[in-house]
Amino acid sequence: GQNIDQPTEMTATEGAIVQINCTYQTSGFNGLFWYQQHAGEAPTFLSYNVLDGLEEKGRFSSFLSRSKGYSYLLLKELQMKDSASYLCAVRDLDDYKLSFGAGTTVTVRA
Amino acid sequence: DAGITQSPRHKVTETGTPVTLRCHQTENHRYMYWYRQDPGHGLRLIHYSYGVKDTDKGEVSDGYSVSRSKTEDFLLTLESATSSQTSVYFCAISEGTGGNTIYFGEGSWLTVV
Repeated sequence: GQNIDQPTEMTATEGAIVQINCTYQTSGFNGLFWYQQHAGEAPTFLSYNVLDGLEEKGRFSSFLSRSKGYSYLLLKELQMKDSASYLCAVRDLDDYKLSFGAGTTVTVRA
Repeated sequence: DAGITQSPRHKVTETGTPVTLRCHQTENHRYMYWYRQDPGHGLRLIHYSYGVKDTDKGEVSDGYSVSRSKTEDFLLTLESATSSQTSVYFCAISEGTGGNTIYFGEGSWLTVV
């Protein structure tokens, strides 16, 4: 099984940078995903890491350290529309399920 | 957007009644999932399917059953709804392993009174 931890809430100012950490303990690992979810909507895919290192995609970057069971999502140049919940999810080694953390609610203030 | 349609989108039902939620996909993806989402718990897997008539339990499967008679349809049934099953239910699909991500439907809001 998976045990996935991330902070419950974070607040940041428009234009700033926010880093959302995710730690996991797993019996098997086959990739880590980050999703964004606006209130009342479905989660949407942001990033995928399977090897150690940083993946950059526009204003969003995601980092993975498999030896530490640690990932972070970095949101740069924050915009009001980035106010949402961010979900960390880990894929099992031998099957195709994603296990999710409880999510981090990010509030961007003007 | 991934071609996933959930129905109904909103439903209010009484305790003890059966309820079926339908997920329909147009992507011909092999894997289909049902998750529920509750405050403080995030998304939790109820059941998933890895092919027609091939299903398996997730972490919160008690009180739920599923069926997949066609690639495109995955049904979630609450045999006798309880108030603890009031939740938002998300269907999801995936091609498979590796970098193939899981795409979510728009959700079904179920209230059991």
